[in-house]
Parts: sequence; structure tokens; C-alpha cells
Amino acid sequence: NAGVTQTPKFQVLKTGQSMTLQCAQDMNHEYMSWYRQDPGMGLRLIHYSVGAGITDQGEVPNGYNVSRSTTEDFPLRLLSAAPSQTSVYFCASSYALGFGETQYFGPGTRLLVL
Amino acid sequence: QQQVKQSPQSLIVQKGGISIINCAYENTAFDYFPWYQQFPGKGPALLIAIRPDVSEKKEGRFTISFNKSAKQFSLHIMDSQPGDSATYFCAASTGGSNYKLTFGKGTLLTVNP
Repeated sequence: NAGVTQTPKFQVLKTGQSMTLQCAQDMNHEYMSWYRQDPGMGLRLIHYSVGAGITDQGEVPNGYNVSRSTTEDFPLRLLSAAPSQTSVYFCASSYALGFGETQYFGPGTRLLVL
Repeated sequence: QQQVKQSPQSLIVQKGGISIINCAYENTAFDYFPWYQQFPGKGPALLIAIRPDVSEKKEGRFTISFNKSAKQFSLHIMDSQPGDSATYFCAASTGGSNYKLTFGKGTLLTVNP
């Protein structure tokens, strides 16, 4: 079990460039989420998915797109990168709703937008 | 609007001491309150979680205390160890949705040997 994997680990972009942050899990989890972590801000939910083909917006969705074509993968797309999107991005997954079900986080992708 | 307020921002404790981190929330619909631990360069990992129908939950050296009327909950780390040095986040969600969390801003805990 690889758990939740994220690629790349680190990326530098120029303003206006686009890119896709990859996230995959091999635990057959239905629920997947993307968070961004900024110094002194905690983690903020960007988008989430409750199953293949179903996605919804979180707290800070602007500038990001997601899709969920398979249970395993949940990529995050930056359409036109801005310096304000410089952050560490975490993907997470969990098996089911409810108390006691753990949400597993990936190792993160550190993104720098110049 | 910050829905989960966490304090202190940083905390220094001596080995063997008690570390206490506090969180307060505003949304009375929250019904799931987990604590996450994060080491540098790693993703957060679930430490312990509580529902609002209990006032305390203990797992080893870690205890969550919950005060529903005050809309506050706290993490107590007993016999703190240098290996506990990490950033701790409280979080909350509605409908038991562990995939849609609202996080506090985090507390950097340093345990001195």
C-alpha cells in the first residue's frame, strides 16, 4: 500500500502558466480532498470529491479546477498560476463518512509561483 | 471569517510537562472534532478525534477535553516528550464529514529535553 501519493514534490511556475498537481490513492477510498497550507493560516479546503464523477468546492476554490474520473485519482489544475497560489498543497483521502474514519494526507507538493 | 480559532500560536514545554492547546469554534453544526499532528516536511496525520456527545477522550498520553456549551475543545499532552515536537492542528466538520474539515491555524509545539 503506497497510501496517498502526490507528484511533483516541488514545482516552480511563472505567473500565467498552467499545471496539474497529481494525487493518487490505492486504498479504494471514496472521499478525496485538496487543501492548501500557508504559513500562519492552517490548512484550507480547496475542492473535494465524494466519489468518481462527483466534485464540489471548498473554502478557497478560485483559480483551481478538479475532476474525478476514477476512484484512485484526483488531480488539481491551476489554470493560470498567480503568486498568491504559492503554497504547499496536500491531497487527502478517506474511506467513509463518520467519526473514527481517518483522513490520510499525502506528503504534499510545494509550489512557488514567480 | 475564521470558524475555528486555535491558541497559542507556539508553545514551549519541558520534557515531562503537560502541553495544552485550545480551540474555539463558532458553528454549532460542527459535530466532529479531530486533532492532527504534522512534522516538518510531512502531511498532517490524525492524532485523536471526539464527538460532541462526550466530554473527554483519552488515547495514551493524549486527551481531548470538550465543552459543548462554551464551544471549546482542547488537546492535553501528558508527559510531553521531545518526539512530540510538531505542529498541531485542531479541526471541525459537520455531518461527520472527515473529508471536509475546517482547520485552526496551528500550534508549533517544542518540547525541550
